[in-house]
Amino acid sequence: EAGVTQFPSHSVIEKGQTVTLRCDPISGHDNLYWYRRVMGKEIKFLLHFVKESKQDESGMPNNRFLAERTGGTYSTLKVQPAELEDSGVYFCASSQGWDRGANNEQFFGPGTRLTVL
Amino acid sequence: GDSVTQMEGPVTLSEEAFLTINCTYTATGYPSLFWYVQYPGEGLQLLLKATKADDKGSNKGFEATYRKETTSFHLEKGSVQVSDSAVYFCALSDRGGSYIPTFGRGTSLIVHP
Repeated sequence: EAGVTQFPSHSVIEKGQTVTLRCDPISGHDNLYWYRRVMGKEIKFLLHFVKESKQDESGMPNNRFLAERTGGTYSTLKVQPAELEDSGVYFCASSQGWDRGANNEQFFGPGTRLTVL
Repeated sequence: GDSVTQMEGPVTLSEEAFLTINCTYTATGYPSLFWYVQYPGEGLQLLLKATKADDKGSNKGFEATYRKETTSFHLEKGSVQVSDSAVYFCALSDRGGSYIPTFGRGTSLIVHP
């Protein structure tokens, strides 16, 4: 079974440009999460989709970030316009469940390393 | 709010040395505790977990015990291998809410032959 995949693995862009990150969850996982790790700091939660709906987007830093999950399959995270402080590693994860029930373990992708110059 | 503090790295050890990576937490509720590992070029993987006080999580020779009295969940391994070189993240999740982990900053482990 394929794991969570993310594309691209690395992206280097200039301040003011737009970047779109993609995440493909494990097949059959309704729950998809985005996280970010700024250099040397904690991994921070950004948002959580249940199928195509945003369950929790409390971690999104500002309106320059837009996440979508059309059709409840893959998700994209767009940063427009990118700023220097957006540099970091963006992780995606997926799970079957998300609450106190079983199958809520999150499986993570390898991350996309974003560098904004 | 909830937070996790873990020792800064990198931790550099020789093969077969004993490993301890300290982790302490602050939580308003009664959380579950986790250690995740990220090997080079791969995603985070759940290494072990503990859901209540005095529980010991273990996997691949690693162990951690949920210590409520000291709010700690230190990761230990008796004899590390070169293949254990990775970044280790301590995390907690609030059992009362959704299982979104709160992570520490990560500790890089480098094991030399």
